[in-house]
Amino acid sequence: AQSVTQLDSHVSVSEGTPVLLRCNYSSSYSPSLFWYVQHPNKGLQLLLKYTSAATLVKGINGFEAEFKKSETSFHLTKPSAHMSDAAEYFCVVKGGSNYKLTFGKGTLLTVNP
Amino acid sequence: DAGITQSPRHKVTETGTPVTLRCHQTENHRYMYWYRQDPGHGLRLIHYSYGVKDTDKGEVSDGYSVSRSKTEDFLLTLESATSSQTSVYFCAISAGVSEKLFFGSGTQLSVL
Repeated sequence: AQSVTQLDSHVSVSEGTPVLLRCNYSSSYSPSLFWYVQHPNKGLQLLLKYTSAATLVKGINGFEAEFKKSETSFHLTKPSAHMSDAAEYFCVVKGGSNYKLTFGKGTLLTVNP
Repeated sequence: DAGITQSPRHKVTETGTPVTLRCHQTENHRYMYWYRQDPGHGLRLIHYSYGVKDTDKGEVSDGYSVSRSKTEDFLLTLESATSSQTSVYFCAISAGVSEKLFFGSGTQLSVL
């Protein structure tokens, strides 16, 4: 069994300030973890992916995430928010070798000027 | 962008009517998926396909059927649409089960 919890449904930051989007997971297997971003009226786009090669994963557009097994967390961060980062972000867990992905309920990021 | 086309982009229909949504890919990927997205639920898998004529159910498959007669096309059918099926439907593809998903732009379906 696997599950993912995004701890904040909405995060609001000012442009130029750091971003932190929190994600906790559970999995019976060594998990693969993903962050996807969805801009308004668009499909989802992969930001980054963890598959056990390195605990700190760098993604596109300056985002990164750190896998912490002891805390079962995979939080997404960015040092300085841009207006274009305003979107909904989904944390996703995949356990084992099957197809099944479990999506979090999403965190809406608002960036204020 | 990955070559994924969903049609139609928007559809309004009445309760009890059949509806078919189409997903077409030009990437020759083996795996294709149908998700629905609803506020507060994230994305939930309806059905997926791991090859031509090979499909399986996801977590919310009741009321939906799928078909995949060609690698490039994956059809989602609502045999008798209900208001609870009002949602945004996304098709996704991947080269393998551990590979990243590429998503289409979505179909907004309203069942009145």
